[in-house]
Amino acid sequence: AQSVSQHNHHVILSEAASLELGCNYSYGGTVNLFWYVQYPGQHLQLLLKYFSGDPLVKGIKGFEAEFIKSKFSFNLRKPSVQWSDTAEYFCAVNAKRDDKIIFGKGTRLHILP
Amino acid sequence: EAGVAQSPRYKIIEKRQSVAFWCNPISGHATLYWYQQILGQGPKLLIQFQNNGVVDDSQLPKDRFSAERLKGVDSTLKIQPAKLEDSAVYLCASSPGLAGRPSTDTQYFGPGTRLTVL
Repeated sequence: AQSVSQHNHHVILSEAASLELGCNYSYGGTVNLFWYVQYPGQHLQLLLKYFSGDPLVKGIKGFEAEFIKSKFSFNLRKPSVQWSDTAEYFCAVNAKRDDKIIFGKGTRLHILP
Repeated sequence: EAGVAQSPRYKIIEKRQSVAFWCNPISGHATLYWYQQILGQGPKLLIQFQNNGVVDDSQLPKDRFSAERLKGVDSTLKIQPAKLEDSAVYLCASSPGLAGRPSTDTQYFGPGTRLTVL
């Protein structure tokens, strides 16, 4: 069955540190990949998505993610985090076979000022 | 543009009682989703509607959960009777529903309803 793994459940960084959040999925066919973010007290919202073309995708607020098909990965990166990036981040995948979106368990990111 | 609206925001009930949640999607969005998010987990899709038809309800516990989307706009999700393990946040999301298969649509989420079953 299709699954999504987020390696880190809780990450604590200082401002200006670089960030990489891991996401791996299990399905081998055509997939669309998403990162959603939930800031404290706010709704889940899209950060970025990949469905074709350049495997390096840029999103809002300086985030980017790279789709590496051979590794079944879609890691989220930001070169220099800010306190306002404190949030919970969810990786999600949907596959052509069943078109059902699966979310990972989320990574709670805490940025120290 | 108004976002996805959900009510109530919070609900506390005792086990074996029934409860209903309401969702009003973004105007014009054809696809509507209901998710269950248990503490410490990611959202789990319960049911997906395309207009007023069900696309996927494979993870909906049909012995106690039901959902409808009359006229392809608003939707209600009902639990009857509730169990302790139903305590969760119930999220509604909508998307335009025009982006093919698998969908590349962005989903727009509501604030959720936090259900506590005692």
